[in-house]
Amino acid sequence: QVRLQESGPGLVKPSQTLTLTCSVSGASVTSGGYYWSWVRQAAGQGLEWMGHLYTSGTTDYNPSLMSRVSISVDASRNQFSLMLTSVSVADTGMYYCARQTYRRTVEWYFDLWGRGTLVTVSS
Amino acid sequence: SYVLTQAPSVAVAPGKTARIPCGGDNIERKSVQWYQQRPGQAPVVVIYYDSDRPSGIPERFSGSNSGNSATLIISRVEAGDEADYYCQVWDASQDRPVFGGGTKLTVL
Repeated sequence: QVRLQESGPGLVKPSQTLTLTCSVSGASVTSGGYYWSWVRQAAGQGLEWMGHLYTSGTTDYNPSLMSRVSISVDASRNQFSLMLTSVSVADTGMYYCARQTYRRTVEWYFDLWGRGTLVTVSS
Repeated sequence: SYVLTQAPSVAVAPGKTARIPCGGDNIERKSVQWYQQRPGQAPVVVIYYDSDRPSGIPERFSGSNSGNSATLIISRVEAGDEADYYCQVWDASQDRPVFGGGTKLTVL
């Protein structure tokens, strides 16, 4: 059974860099056919895709975050990470790592999610 | 970029059928996914590719997609179905996923 588990600091100061890690068990982050993704949700708000990383190492990011976000993989630890620079209170919320896959056509959807980790940006 | 529009809320009595719409330009040409997010929990996919159900999801959950609107249909609604529901498509023109704003389902 594949599981995703987020970890990272619950509190970050404004202007600092947030780094979160997603540990994957039951599957390899380097196996083909998946996007490894980060999605966030501000309190009482909807889901916002932040970006994803393909097993080849290719990445893509939400244009609204493009200048501040990066996603990387650590194959030796079977983890992938999110880095968000210059955080502000607007970045406070729940952060989820998730896996995207596809079936009959190449239209990706999220088939697995971590439980999420709450990040608060405050001085 | 592609935009998905959802009503903020839908209310239904227990045992009735809930229909949650998701609007998008020619959405019938795309595959639509639906995610259920209960309070305090992570989202879970309940419908993918318009009408496919993952294992473990009750048959009461179904989906349709036609024209400019996709619909999540929940039959014989139960109190445990009370949650936020998000539709999602893959925007192939930009190679990225798009979420609707979410609909809160209230079971009266």
